[in-house]
Amino acid sequence: GAGVSQSPSNKVTEKGKDVELRCDPISGHTALYWYRQSLGQGLEFLIYFQGNSAPDKSGLPSDRFSAERTGGSVSTLTIQRTQQEDSAVYLCASSLGLAGGHNEQFFGPGTRLTVL
Amino acid sequence: AQSVAQPEDQVNVAEGNPLTVKCTYSVSGNPYLFWYVQYPNRGLQFLLKYITGDNLVKGSYGFEAEFNKSQTSFHLKKPSALVSDSALYFCAVRDRWGRDDKIIFGKGTRLHILP
Repeated sequence: GAGVSQSPSNKVTEKGKDVELRCDPISGHTALYWYRQSLGQGLEFLIYFQGNSAPDKSGLPSDRFSAERTGGSVSTLTIQRTQQEDSAVYLCASSLGLAGGHNEQFFGPGTRLTVL
Repeated sequence: AQSVAQPEDQVNVAEGNPLTVKCTYSVSGNPYLFWYVQYPNRGLQFLLKYITGDNLVKGSYGFEAEFNKSQTSFHLKKPSALVSDSALYFCAVRDRWGRDDKIIFGKGTRLHILP
């Protein structure tokens, strides 16, 4: 596809369950970002990848959150033992992302996570 | 560490009037600055960016933004607002001399254009 895709588009889960969110970036984009958008809040940076490496994990809210990227392409954000405060829209973005660059990000449609 | 402030949660403007959405930033070095827009039920879209050179940057849908280094601001403007401009607008910054590609977003400003 031409754009960033995310799956699932919606996820409803019970408190304490684990969830996996997937992001397929634009082909050739080396940088991949995860953000969280809560109702009434802005975009909260979670983590970004340059290739398969994550230079900055400082935005992950707790050790229940983890992310990986394989083959310089698909990324998975995993939330273990979900809590109600994890409910939000999780956005993925990709860019050409050369270090020192100013490339704009292309965003996916997001995954809306609801923890009951 | 870089940061972005959007001091207004919401801005209301009558259709046809000029609009301004404010953004200030903080970086240790020099910034790359961006504006993104999120229309209802749609993903974020890139509007414009400042890299270097001319302080007035023109972007999509008739929007422009002015980089002011002394005031560390990058306000978004449009001479004549349309109802279809109603959306959520985000300012973002990256430290030009940073060792990573981390981009930080503001909390967003909801723009209401009144017919």
